Amino acid sequence: QVQLVESGGGVVQPGMSLRLSCTASGFTFSAYGMHWVRQAPGKGLEWVTIIWYDGSKRYYTDSVQGRFTVSRDNSKNTLYLQMNSLRAEDTGVYYCARDTHCSSTTCSVYFDYWGHGTLVTVSS
Amino acid sequence: IQMTQSPSSLSASVGDRVTITCRASQSIINYLNWYQQKPGKAPKLLIYAASSLQVGVPSRFSGSGSGTDFTLTISSLQPDDFATYYCQQGYSTPSTFGQGTKLEIK
Repeated sequence: QVQLVESGGGVVQPGMSLRLSCTASGFTFSAYGMHWVRQAPGKGLEWVTIIWYDGSKRYYTDSVQGRFTVSRDNSKNTLYLQMNSLRAEDTGVYYCARDTHCSSTTCSVYFDYWGHGTLVTVSS
Repeated sequence: IQMTQSPSSLSASVGDRVTITCRASQSIINYLNWYQQKPGKAPKLLIYAASSLQVGVPSRFSGSGSGTDFTLTISSLQPDDFATYYCQQGYSTPSTFGQGTKLEIK
């Protein structure tokens, strides 16, 4: 069955860096676009970034552009999120999620499988 | 694109018919999806492309709408349906979610 397992969350000070991982199993990882979606404590969902199935395209929400980098290693079935210059407002649970379908030019941008999430806390 | 859900919270009883509305700040055609989230859990896809039921989701859930106005309807509430519901547009990047509708037991 499809499984997505995030790791790498923790407590960091403002300005520091953190790298999240999402390990996939139960499907052909290299065939699917992947997203990161986050949720601040007690708040709603916020889309963060997408990476195409082959890594050829990546897009970010404005608030993380230039600070966060999404990448993937299809040989390891793993998705990454490198987060630099962290701010208090980056605090929250980070979910990886699978896009249902991507072509070479577009993705469906809806998410049929989600991980359980990993908590990132940015605090001094 | 801003997504606005209404109401923000809703009290209802088992067996009730419930409708949640989502409005986009511009036309998103039918690139509208609905998710259910329970406390401490990841969201679950219910409806995609405005009206298509995700595999495994009970048929009491339905979606409708196009352009800027969309609805999620639960035809007969079950105890398992009390949760928070989010709409999400996939028309353009950045994808955006509504603020959520918390459905509580009356």
